Amino acid sequence: DAKTTQPPSMDCAEGRAANLPCNHSTISGNEYVYWYRQIHSQGPQYIIHGLKNNETNEMASLIITEDRKSSTLILPHATLRDTAVYYCIVRVAGRGSGYALNFGKGTSLLVTP
Amino acid sequence: GAVVSQHPSRVICKSGTSVKIECRSLDFQATTMFWYRQFPKQSLMLMATSNEGSKATYEQGVEKDKFLINHASLTLSTLTVTSAHPEDSSFYICSAYTLTVANTQYFGPGTRLTVL
Repeated sequence: DAKTTQPPSMDCAEGRAANLPCNHSTISGNEYVYWYRQIHSQGPQYIIHGLKNNETNEMASLIITEDRKSSTLILPHATLRDTAVYYCIVRVAGRGSGYALNFGKGTSLLVTP
Repeated sequence: GAVVSQHPSRVICKSGTSVKIECRSLDFQATTMFWYRQFPKQSLMLMATSNEGSKATYEQGVEKDKFLINHASLTLSTLTVTSAHPEDSSFYICSAYTLTVANTQYFGPGTRLTVL
């Protein structure tokens, strides 16, 4: 699976959009981009994933550049409860049952009042 | 959908005793479950991969005789920490894989183990 690079920390004001970048310049054509987050002392929570098209769900939006070498997770209206460590993970499509997720260091997002 | 539970959420035990942690997929069947460990201020580290009805596959450096894993059904996997010592104190997290919901893994809430 391709390696990802994320900034170690970011701040965001409550109510504002939080834009979390991820670089995955070595991504292969059959690799998806997954985002998880981990709130302190809890298990990771799945947020969203995509291959090449932009994706949106009730939690967030995922914007993937045309060359797929980077992506941005957008939390449109951040709340204090969005304070967490966010992990960008790249994994091969179809690598489901037999493969664990490789968690890097992620981005620690602090949402402030 | 795709809810995973763990029990207990927190356990304190004396050195030398054994502790069992349960991981259940509540609304889906999981052929594969994973066990991770997380030390303070560190990321999750995979300990083992558990397939229903077969022996678990352990990562390098994880003692299979110390961390016993049983995946007896499609909805239940257990991790038993045998003869626990203070250095085993950690946050243990399980995940269950499902093809039917985003083709990915869903995580339990974790179990905080403290060995005195």
